[in-house]
Amino acid sequence: QSALTHPASVSGSPGQSITISCTGTSNDIGRYNLVSWYQQHPGKAPRLIIYEVDKRPSGISDRFSGSKSGNTASLTISGLQPEDEADYYCSLYVSSSTFPYVFGAGTKVTVL
Amino acid sequence: QVQLQESGPGLVKPSETLSLTCIVSGDSVSSGSHYWSWIRQPPGKGLEWIGYIYFTGNTNYHPSLESRVTISLETSKNQFSLRLRSMTAADTAIYFCARTRRSGDKVDYWGQGTLVTVSS
Repeated sequence: QSALTHPASVSGSPGQSITISCTGTSNDIGRYNLVSWYQQHPGKAPRLIIYEVDKRPSGISDRFSGSKSGNTASLTISGLQPEDEADYYCSLYVSSSTFPYVFGAGTKVTVL
Repeated sequence: QVQLQESGPGLVKPSETLSLTCIVSGDSVSSGSHYWSWIRQPPGKGLEWIGYIYFTGNTNYHPSLESRVTISLETSKNQFSLRLRSMTAADTAIYFCARTRRSGDKVDYWGQGTLVTVSS
């Protein structure tokens, strides 16, 4: 089973840009492009904000962008706003695994 | 608009079986494009996969839970269900049902989640 590593927390001031990393290995993130990201506010269900590394669902602000380089996927939030304070999870689909879905441990984003 | 709604008990005794149901509206559990999934989140912790079911009835369970879990479909009621046996305090969590694209690229719709506490 793959394990995806996030920083525990990232913070920034309103208007700044922050980047959250999600690190795997050459056998998971390095090989597959089915990386998705989810935003979760306290007491709420997660919400899909990025899929297939860099695609945004309709209704998601273009302040959210995704990318991948080597074994690391990244989520960038530009123009940080107070409502962006939440937990963020990366997820990966590894088709070669018996159970192909895995979540990262999550990153707490704090808007200072 | 696709909506999912979990229902079930909020309190389960240790060693008992948890039964949850997810009612789906705006889509059909007989859809060939999606898996119908259960995901949980222990208090203050991250998201954990439980498993998913396809309209054929095929299932896939996370290795850490597969000896205790059963996911089933009720197509006539457009709902799917979770049974988790031999519950312990470690199973205390918010349980989410969700729709997962079969291509693997996204979990695009989630229920609001239901808190299940294991306690005597």
